[in-house]
Amino acid sequence: DGGITQSPKYLFRKEGQNVTLSCEQNLNHDAMYWYRQDPGQGLRLIYYSQIVNDFQKGDIAEGYSVSREKKESFPLTVTSAQKNPTAFYLCASSIRQGASEKLFFGSGTQLSVL
Amino acid sequence: GQQLNQSPQSMFIQEGEDVSMNCTSSSIFNTWLWYKQDPGEGPVLLIALYKAGELTSNGRLTAQFGITRKDSFLNISASIPSDVGIYFCAGYPRGGATNKLIFGTGTLLAVQP
Repeated sequence: DGGITQSPKYLFRKEGQNVTLSCEQNLNHDAMYWYRQDPGQGLRLIYYSQIVNDFQKGDIAEGYSVSREKKESFPLTVTSAQKNPTAFYLCASSIRQGASEKLFFGSGTQLSVL
Repeated sequence: GQQLNQSPQSMFIQEGEDVSMNCTSSSIFNTWLWYKQDPGEGPVLLIALYKAGELTSNGRLTAQFGITRKDSFLNISASIPSDVGIYFCAGYPRGGATNKLIFGTGTLLAVQP
């Protein structure tokens, strides 16, 4: 099946620890994204990548880092600098439809702080 | 940053009722997308709209791209329990980056059997 796979589904972080969330897609999409979702709120963009070896900061990039070494993979690291990391993290990839992109999402990772 | 105002914030209805929700902005948008999110899952794309006045259906769901290009509407007819979830509107504003999608804050739908 084609799709976007996020792992793990649940992740716990200790104080001062970096953790990495995995996102893999086999849709052959060029662009990939990371969003953060807090309860009762919309999605906020953390980082995005339009092509391999290139990525840009979104609206809330502080305390996060990414890499895009392969087209299929876009891992997100939540660093110790992110003081409020508890949230639901969503990875997405997109395909261009005319002048716009249609985003498709993974099933998310719930990150909690111990 | 730009915002999308989505209303209502929540709806509690009986099975079989029709549902309407909308999304408005002070800016013109080129594309509107409607997503549904089940608890603990990622949003799933329901309908995409690309031009003003466009009316598109997906089963019991119908969405419209507003004539002013500043709003969009989603209707669900004859609701069923599996319609429960959070519905998000999203869009690409005119003149904005074509890869930075703006999301509404969501409408929580609860359907009582």
